[in-house]
Amino acid sequence: GENVEQHPSTLSVQEGDSAVIKCTYSDSASNYFPWYKQELGKGPQLIIDIRSNVGEKKDQRIAVTLNKTAKHFSLHITETQPEDSAVYFCAASVSNDYKLSFGAGTTVTVRA
Amino acid sequence: DAGVIQSPRHEVTEMGQEVTLRCKPISGHNSLFWYRQTMMRGLELLIYFNNNVPIDDSGMPEDRFSAKMPNASFSTLKIQPSEPRDSAVYFCASSLARGLGEKLFFGSGTQLSVL
Repeated sequence: GENVEQHPSTLSVQEGDSAVIKCTYSDSASNYFPWYKQELGKGPQLIIDIRSNVGEKKDQRIAVTLNKTAKHFSLHITETQPEDSAVYFCAASVSNDYKLSFGAGTTVTVRA
Repeated sequence: DAGVIQSPRHEVTEMGQEVTLRCKPISGHNSLFWYRQTMMRGLELLIYFNNNVPIDDSGMPEDRFSAKMPNASFSTLKIQPSEPRDSAVYFCASSLARGLGEKLFFGSGTQLSVL
């Protein structure tokens, strides 16, 4: 089955700086890569996703890049703000497959 | 839409007791998932329903766990008897049918503590 590895496990950044989280996956058939943000006491919330037919996608301060050859994808958060502090999960699946394989999560702390 | 609604938010029980967790998926979604989250194992898929039918229950830890979906707007996850190692956060999530979108929408979870 799919194995998703996520690094780093914790990340502390100064407000206004950028944060980058990296994930690798093992199944070359995977073609859907969502990112979830989980705030304390809440369920994971989808913040951005990318499919394998594109290499990059942006949504305001958040961007995701995908390298299918290397089987890795990354989340970039620019101009970080305190409300970006949360746990972020990457995931991978084959389109039309119900199974999402999640990474272990990255705890991001934005220092004011 | 109010999103995926789970109850209770917190449950504290004693070992051996029966625990029932409840979920109301987003209206119109016909795929429902139960996940368990722990520090050690992260997010684990327990069971997946499509159109109220259990499709994959391979993630259910053992026979003490059971799940039902009697209709499109309600699902339960039951643990009987409960054990301390069942302590975790249990999430329900829903999505549109396969092929129409994979976006998962999670509820706020049930924090279960088995003493």
